[in-house]
Amino acid sequence: QQQVKQSPQSLIVQKGGISIINCAYENTAFDYFPWYQQFPGKGPALLIAIRPDVSEKKEGRFTISFNKSAKQFSLHIMDSQPGDSATYFCAASSGTSYGKLTFGQGTILTVHP
Amino acid sequence: DGGITQSPKYLFRKEGQNVTLSCEQNLNHDAMYWYRQDPGQGLRLIYYSQIVNDFQKGDIAEGYSVSREKKESFPLTVTSAQKNPTAFYLCASSIEREGTDTQYFGPGTRLTVL
Repeated sequence: QQQVKQSPQSLIVQKGGISIINCAYENTAFDYFPWYQQFPGKGPALLIAIRPDVSEKKEGRFTISFNKSAKQFSLHIMDSQPGDSATYFCAASSGTSYGKLTFGQGTILTVHP
Repeated sequence: DGGITQSPKYLFRKEGQNVTLSCEQNLNHDAMYWYRQDPGQGLRLIYYSQIVNDFQKGDIAEGYSVSREKKESFPLTVTSAQKNPTAFYLCASSIEREGTDTQYFGPGTRLTVL
């Protein structure tokens, strides 16, 4: 029940295209859903996060869509750039496990110029 | 500059040896975490600590040990009991504040067992 399932494992997009990464969770107690971006050899960095009281959050070219009834959330990267090539992780946590994140398996995004 | 530092960046260990990975933060964060990262498996929680002198096992604690004697420091020891220790190890911290679960990660230590 603690799992977060992420898909696809890898994604190739042309420059200017839209990248979409999906995550699904089972634990209905989860109430915080961040996305992290990781470049090779570096630690992950918070990209954008959402709480279930909203269905969408946008920051620049990055948008999280959240579907509470389906227990799914997704990351959309508009106008994808080669510099966006990285590994993306979704994660989830609940107030009962303060700060303890459960991560998805990761998606390797490659944006071709 | 505030942040999380991990050392060393690369570490090589012979089988049967214990090694200690360093993690230091000057963000004044209460909570600290250790993760292991393997290709295709995401980040798996090893240990976490929410306050000084207290820590809890994560999902894959076997073969690892930690201490939290200071707020700023959370070292991880990989013992000889860890069967497959070769991995990328990440330390993170977060502040105990309602509504904020953001974890900040260090640059990682890549451990290789020879």
